[in-house]
Amino acid sequence: DTGVSQDPRHKITKRGQNVTFRCDPISEHNRLYWYRQTLGQGPEFLTYFQNEAQLEKSRLLSDRFSAERPKGSFSTLEIQRTEQGDSAMYLCASSSWTSGGAVSSETQYFGPGTRLLVL
Amino acid sequence: KQEVTQIPAALSVPEGENLVLNCSFTDSAIYNLQWFRQDPGKGLTSLLLIQSSQREQTSGRLNASLDKSSGRSTLYIAASQPGDSATYLCACNDYKLSFGAGTTVTVRA
Repeated sequence: DTGVSQDPRHKITKRGQNVTFRCDPISEHNRLYWYRQTLGQGPEFLTYFQNEAQLEKSRLLSDRFSAERPKGSFSTLEIQRTEQGDSAMYLCASSSWTSGGAVSSETQYFGPGTRLLVL
Repeated sequence: KQEVTQIPAALSVPEGENLVLNCSFTDSAIYNLQWFRQDPGKGLTSLLLIQSSQREQTSGRLNASLDKSSGRSTLYIAASQPGDSATYLCACNDYKLSFGAGTTVTVRA
């Protein structure tokens, strides 16, 4: 049983550089979420996709951030011109969502996260 | 905007004691509430999901209750073990998850 995978697991970069993270969801899941978690806090919602469509972006997602999910499979999250405040754990989750179905039982499954450190 | 609060922020107990972790939320219009476990530097492991129509859910030594009208959920862990040491997060699902900051539990052998 393959769960949600994320790559890389760790990334150290210098301020001003661009970074890209990848998330591979559970294969039959049509929804994919990105969250960001800073030290001592719970994860915060960034954005989510249903298939290839990006349905919502949080105000936390500045114009330096962009996310894609081509063909409704894996997703990438890119941060341009990184800042020290971008240092965090970036978590991806996926779920199976059926319109009109049992939404109350929708469970999000999380990957191991990508830890970003911006120097 | 959903606000989720977890009290206490940290808890230390001797092995064998029962744990009670509290979660409160401000908006009762949720599909479900999930409890997660997070080990240091790791991702999130789902422990229990309580649907909005349910009052309680159990898995092994874990039991979670939900009172939507008062905006509260409680996670009970019976007969704690050192392996239960971790941070426990609750999250309200209204299509996206809104998390509390977590309760960090230490179980002393």
